[in-house]
Amino acid sequence: AQKITQTQPGMFVQEKEAVTLDCTYDTSDPSYGLFWYKQPSSGEMIFLIYQGSYDQQNATEGRYSLNFQKARKSANLVISASQLGDSAMYFCAMREGGDDKLIFGTGTRLQVFP
Amino acid sequence: DAGVIQSPRHEVTEMGQEVTLRCKPISGHDYLFWYRQTMMRGLELLIYFNNNVPIDDSGMPEDRFSAKMPNASFSTLKIQPSEPRDSAVYFCATVGAGTGELFFGEGSRLTVL
Repeated sequence: AQKITQTQPGMFVQEKEAVTLDCTYDTSDPSYGLFWYKQPSSGEMIFLIYQGSYDQQNATEGRYSLNFQKARKSANLVISASQLGDSAMYFCAMREGGDDKLIFGTGTRLQVFP
Repeated sequence: DAGVIQSPRHEVTEMGQEVTLRCKPISGHDYLFWYRQTMMRGLELLIYFNNNVPIDDSGMPEDRFSAKMPNASFSTLKIQPSEPRDSAVYFCATVGAGTGELFFGEGSRLTVL
């Protein structure tokens, strides 16, 4: 079974609008961390935001926020006020409490148009 | 502080040749990961080290792949002999303090003809 599922291969959003990128996860470990990374066309992997399973509040980092719904096992990334530079691949990832490695989803390609 | 440094950035080689990819991790980061990214399989973990010791190599595709970390500041991923299906971007990453996010190098794009 997939540990991390990103069901949207591609998304389009108009500049200045908000967009939500979906991520669901599967774990039986009560302790885990969820991560989002951005990969622009240049290829580097850029860390965006982190949510711990015990965090009481949704994580936010500037225009990025994480809509964490623990019961539904979802950790959607919300990008507010989209910019053309937000066009990239976005990856959701999880680390389970007893493990060291990050498992990545298949990614969502976001395209922001003027 | 310098980030994770990988070399070469691009490598084009012929099938059957040996390929060596190099990684210099961020100083003080105890964990080092090698990932491979392809269109078909996405980001796959190949192997990771803790304090220079290999912890999990279950993602290494076959015996043609080997990885070493002789000291805290250097790691190599070797493919011998290389095959066209090894063409991919290979990332090295280390773990930071705090939330434990991975810091990635810029990747080594390998093309095997």
